[in-house]
Amino acid sequence: GEDVEQSLFLSVREGDSSVINCTYTDSSSTYLYWYKQEPGAGLQLLTYIFSNMDMKQDQRLTVLLNKKDKHLSLRIADTQTGDSAIYFCAEKVMDTGRRALTFGSGTRLQVQP
Amino acid sequence: EPEVTQTPSHQVTQMGQEVILRCVPISNHLYFYWYRQILGQKVEFLVSFYNNEISEKSEIFDDQFSVERPDGSNFTLKIRSTKLEDSAMYFCASSVSGTGGKNTEAFFGQGTRLTVV
Repeated sequence: GEDVEQSLFLSVREGDSSVINCTYTDSSSTYLYWYKQEPGAGLQLLTYIFSNMDMKQDQRLTVLLNKKDKHLSLRIADTQTGDSAIYFCAEKVMDTGRRALTFGSGTRLQVQP
Repeated sequence: EPEVTQTPSHQVTQMGQEVILRCVPISNHLYFYWYRQILGQKVEFLVSFYNNEISEKSEIFDDQFSVERPDGSNFTLKIRSTKLEDSAMYFCASSVSGTGGKNTEAFFGQGTRLTVV
C-alpha cells in the first residue's frame, strides 16, 4: 500500500527559500500533490506533478521529483510570513483504479520575520 | 473562483446521536470524496462517490457511515450513531475526473469540525 512521509517542522527567515521534503513508497504511475492548510482552514491545492515529470515550476513554487529515490520536494522562493502553514504531500496511484489520496503527516512551516 | 463549501463549520453532538455533514461540490465536478483528520493525525480517506454510487471506501467507512447525493448539488455524510473517536475535522472534496488523465486533482472544502461529547 501507499505510504507518504514528511518531516514535521521547518523554520525559515522571511525572504529565504523553503524546501519541504516528502517520500512516497509506491512506484506505479502516480500523481503527487502539494496542499497548504492555514490555521482553521481547509486544504488548498498548490500544485501537482505526474510521475513522468522531473520538475514543475509555478511562480514561486518549484516541485522536484526524484523517481529513483521516490523523493518529492516543494521549494518556495522568497518565503513570506503568509506562507506560514502546514504543507501536505499527497499521492494518488493511478494504475490501480483507486481514487483516494494518501496524505503525509504534514510539515509545519514557520516563517520568521 | 468556484469552491467546495461545507456546512456547518463546527458541530457538537452527543455520543450516540446521528449527524449529517453537508457539502456542495464544485458544480461541474463528477467525483466526490470525504476525508477526515483527527487532531494531530494524518488526513485519511473515507469514501469516494461517482455516478450516484460509492466507488471506493476505506476501512474507516463502516456501517455507521453513509453518503448521499440527495439532489443535484448537495453531497452528505451521515454518521448514524456517533462515537467519541469520530471527533475530527471532516473534509469534502470534488474533482472533475477520477482515476486517469488530467483534471483529477481534488479541491477541498474548509471542513466541518465534529466534536462528539
